[in-house]
Amino acid sequence: SAVISQKPSRDICQRGTSLTIQCQVDSQVTMMFWYRQQPGQSLTLIATANQGSEATYESGFVIDKFPISRPNLTFSTLTVSNMSPEDSSIYLCSVDEQERTNYGYTFGSGTRLTVV
Amino acid sequence: AQKVTQAQTEISVVEKEDVTLDCVYETRDTTYYLFWYKQPPSGELVFLIRRNSFDEQNEISGRYSWNFQKSTSSFNFTITASQVVDSAVYFCALSEMPDSWGKLQFGAGTQVVVTP
Repeated sequence: SAVISQKPSRDICQRGTSLTIQCQVDSQVTMMFWYRQQPGQSLTLIATANQGSEATYESGFVIDKFPISRPNLTFSTLTVSNMSPEDSSIYLCSVDEQERTNYGYTFGSGTRLTVV
Repeated sequence: AQKVTQAQTEISVVEKEDVTLDCVYETRDTTYYLFWYKQPPSGELVFLIRRNSFDEQNEISGRYSWNFQKSTSSFNFTITASQVVDSAVYFCALSEMPDSWGKLQFGAGTQVVVTP
């Protein structure tokens, strides 16, 4: 499967600041996805990031709060802006490997964010 | 509306017992994919299986087996002879086609606790 490097693995941030999370893939992928997992909860898709176009955001998520970049086919960033304690979550990037037989979506190891 | 329902919040078993995790999904699409992921305490998401809507064959992989029944919209997962290393949260997920290509809709997850 694709190998995804996600940085930072964890961070503790002050409210009102911003954090940029990086996702690097070892192969070119068309679609990259960003998910949020709030404490004790399931995963929710934030947005889909395609290279060369604006990210597509899911209901409840807006670009001003979660700006995303996708400069090439192996890299993406998610910024969590003007953070509040409610943003404390694990953020995960994912890539689509369904072209590979019997495979699915591969996830990065996640960024565990705590906002104080 | 919740499209993937995992009614079991937590299941506790003693090592070597079998454990079955239930997953019920809801979709109007005829083409869709179902997935199971494992999330151990370390937090990463581990892909276990992908099943498309046209393949109702049950699958066995080592101690893992899956029972897909379209008639009841269920995709259940059984761990045979559980081990302590199976302790994790297990997520069932649905990907609908084609409008929701790439969007994984996760269930709430089932925490499996295996004690020696």
